[in-house]
Amino acid sequence: SQQGEEDPQALSIQEGENATMNCSYKTSINNLQWYRQNSGRGLVHLILIRSNEREKHSGRLRVTLDTSKKSSSLLITASRAADTASYFCATVTSYDKVIFGPGTSLSVIP
Amino acid sequence: KAGVTQTPRYLIKTRGQQVTLSCSPISGHRSVSWYQQTPGQGLQFLFEYFSETQRNKGNFPGRFSGRQFSNSRSEMNVSTLELGDSALYLCASSVAGPTNTGELFFGEGSRLTVL
Repeated sequence: SQQGEEDPQALSIQEGENATMNCSYKTSINNLQWYRQNSGRGLVHLILIRSNEREKHSGRLRVTLDTSKKSSSLLITASRAADTASYFCATVTSYDKVIFGPGTSLSVIP
Repeated sequence: KAGVTQTPRYLIKTRGQQVTLSCSPISGHRSVSWYQQTPGQGLQFLFEYFSETQRNKGNFPGRFSGRQFSNSRSEMNVSTLELGDSALYLCASSVAGPTNTGELFFGEGSRLTVL
C-alpha cells in the first residue's frame, strides 16, 4: 500500500479562499515534499520539510509536519485560478525511496 | 540551464512489443529516478539510479528495467508490453538523491499507449 495518503481526494473552492490538503504516512521519513502537477504534465516541486522541522513557509504556501501523528498538511492561502492542479505529497525514506500519495485535485473557481 | 528532457513524448506500441524511454537529467545531477503514473494506481516508483548504480527498486516485474550511463543519462526499458503498461512515465533528477538534496526535478513525461 502507498506510504502517503492525501485527503481530500478533490477540493473545489472560490478564488481568494484558502485550500488545505492533508497527507498521512506510515513509516519513518527523512523528509516530506509537496508537488504540483498540471493536467498530465511533469510534477513541480513546491516545498520540502525535514523530519526535524514542524512548519515551513514559502510565499502563499505553509506546510506543517507532525511526526508523532505521521501527518502533514499543505495550506495555500488566497488561492488563484492558476492554482488549479493536482497536489501530491511525497515521503522520502533514509534510503532515497520516494513514495507519492494519490493526490488531491484542487479546482479554484474564478 | 536546461531542464530534464524525456524522449519520446508520446508513443504507441502493441502488446508484446518492447519500448525504450530516455531521460537526460539536468547538468550536474547524478540521481535519476523513474515513476509510472496511471489513473488507477497513481504515481508509482520504478527505480532510482545514482552514478550508474541502481540504488532502489519499486515493486514492478522484471519486464521493467533501466540503466544509467556515465553522463547520468538514463534509459528504461519495458519488454513484452501489456495493456496495463499504458501510462505516463516520468523521470526525475536531483543532485545527489531525495534524501540528501531533496527536490526532484521532473521531465514532462513519456506517454505510452499499448494497443
